[in-house]
Amino acid sequence: EDQVTQSPEALRLQEGESSSLNCSYTVSGLRGLFWYRQDPGKGPEFLFTLYSAGEEKEKERLKATLTKKESFLHITAPKPEDSATYLCAVQAETSGSRLTFGEGTQLTVNP
Amino acid sequence: NAGVTQTPKFQVLKTGQSMTLQCAQDMNHEYMSWYRQDPGMGLRLIHYSVGAGITDQGEVPNGYNVSRSTTEDFPLRLLSAAPSQTSVYFCASSRGGHTFFGQGTRLTVV
Repeated sequence: EDQVTQSPEALRLQEGESSSLNCSYTVSGLRGLFWYRQDPGKGPEFLFTLYSAGEEKEKERLKATLTKKESFLHITAPKPEDSATYLCAVQAETSGSRLTFGEGTQLTVNP
Repeated sequence: NAGVTQTPKFQVLKTGQSMTLQCAQDMNHEYMSWYRQDPGMGLRLIHYSVGAGITDQGEVPNGYNVSRSTTEDFPLRLLSAAPSQTSVYFCASSRGGHTFFGQGTRLTVV
């Protein structure tokens, strides 16, 4: 059974204080690992897809990395508008387009 | 290009009532799915479809029915609502591993 665990559950940062979110996973053959951002009252919004260990993707202040067991979402010099819940999901090679999600990390960035 | 459109955004049902959550996508995606999101449990897959006329169960299918008569539409039916079905429901469509989500339907069953 595919499993995804995210930590921490919640994270409070001061503006400009860099940090990382963790996503640990077990999957029977990884097709892709996905990061989404979710704002209150909205649906998840796609951020990154990572396909193989060692891969990195960047977008503005966010950088996602992948190993064989976990992924990190690094947030550099965050701003209050980065406050959101960040979701991690995996897709197995044998599961078509099915996604298994973690519970998310709720990030708050204070000005 | 609207993406994935869900209606309604909010709904309150009484226990035992039935209703249909609507979902439509305009991206010509074959794969569509329904998730529910509950505090502390993340997004869980209810049902999915790999194309018109083909549906299958996900992780938490009990109490829900789906059909896929067209590529664009994938409605979710609650036949007899229960308080345990109080949740936020998301419809999604996918192609090539890239999944797009609707804005969600917040359902309360009293």
